[in-house]
Amino acid sequence: GAGVSQSPRYKVAKRGQDVALRCDPISGHVSLFWYQQALGQGPEFLTYFQNEAQLDKSGLPSDRFFAERPEGSVSTLKIQRTQQEDSAVYLCASSPSRSFNTEAFFGQGTRLTVV
Amino acid sequence: GIQVEQSPPDLILQEGANSTLRCNFSDSVNNLQWFHQNPWGQLINLFYIPSGTKQNGRLSATTVATERYSLLYISSSQTTDSGVYFCAVEGLDSSYKLIFGSGTRLLVRP
Repeated sequence: GAGVSQSPRYKVAKRGQDVALRCDPISGHVSLFWYQQALGQGPEFLTYFQNEAQLDKSGLPSDRFFAERPEGSVSTLKIQRTQQEDSAVYLCASSPSRSFNTEAFFGQGTRLTVV
Repeated sequence: GIQVEQSPPDLILQEGANSTLRCNFSDSVNNLQWFHQNPWGQLINLFYIPSGTKQNGRLSATTVATERYSLLYISSSQTTDSGVYFCAVEGLDSSYKLIFGSGTRLLVRP
């Protein structure tokens, strides 16, 4: 596709429910990033993939958060047993290089609301 | 870790006015970028500017790395400039982990 695509755009989950958020990066992009953006704040780094390898997951807030990119393309961010504090916009970005430079692009995000 | 502070937090302008947004950062950085987040949530890269000055139409940016700040200038503002402007930096120990400020929320009134 022309850009980074994320689905669903909106997700309402009951507390305790598991959710899966999908990111389709720009074709051929080596690097993929997940960020979490709380209301009124800037995005915060969650995790980084280079192809299928998850090189940094230091930003994942708890062991309920899990991300994968098994074939080096599409990525899924999974949140188990959702809590209210997980409510946020989850942004995905991809880049053709190993760094976050001018060629990196963000998707429109998935807004997760936990009720 | 690196702290990124943006000012002002909120700004209201009349269409046609000029403005300056500021970003201060607490340590040396490899990279600094300015983003615009539109009302639909899309983050668009405006400038990749670790140092120096760049211009793109009505927007320009200057980063003074030695003094750890960057400025974003918006001239002849338009209603479509409304949204949130973020400054983000990469620390010396990472080439991929952006650290964002909390943004400047801009509203341009017709």
